[in-house]
Amino acid sequence: GENVEQHPSTLSVQEGDSAVIKCTYSDSASNYFPWYKQELGKRPQLIIDIRSNVGEKKDQRIAVTLNKTAKHFSLHITETQPEDSAVYFCAARGYSTLTFGKGTMLLVSP
Amino acid sequence: SQTIHQWPATLVQPVGSPLSLECTVEGTSNPNLYWYRQAAGRGLQLLFYSVGIGQISSEVPQNLSASRPQDRQFILSSKKLLLSDSGFYLCAWIVAGGGDTQYFGPGTRLTVL
Repeated sequence: GENVEQHPSTLSVQEGDSAVIKCTYSDSASNYFPWYKQELGKRPQLIIDIRSNVGEKKDQRIAVTLNKTAKHFSLHITETQPEDSAVYFCAARGYSTLTFGKGTMLLVSP
Repeated sequence: SQTIHQWPATLVQPVGSPLSLECTVEGTSNPNLYWYRQAAGRGLQLLFYSVGIGQISSEVPQNLSASRPQDRQFILSSKKLLLSDSGFYLCAWIVAGGGDTQYFGPGTRLTVL
């Protein structure tokens, strides 16, 4: 089955800095890669996703890049703000289910 | 628009007691439905998924079971809870027929004492 590795597990940045979270996947048949943000005590919320026919997607301060050959994808957050502090999960879809990474706790200090 | 409901929102149960958590989706037909568990400070563990009424796939064999008695209803059950069953239980859905985007319900926080 699919295996998704996510790094780092914790990331601390100063407000205004950029943050990058990286994930690798194992199944070359996976074709959909979403990112979720989970605030403490709340449900994961989809923030951006990318499909395998696209190499990069951007939405305001967040962007995702995908390298199918290397089987890795990354989340980039620019101009971080304290409200970006949360746990971020990457995921990959193969057949019918999403496989999630273990999550990255992002801490943005004012 | 589509919405997903879970209840109860919180639950405290003694070890050995039964469990029934309910998830209902509105505004869509024949969704794919999923149950996840998230232990404190941990990742998302897929427990069960269903692509239609009466169709259940189990990802992790344990003392939990799932049922889908109606198109938009997904139930998670246990006959006897264990301490290790404590966690945040999340229901999720995807539009059937090739949709990719997965949405999570608000979750049920279960504490087993």
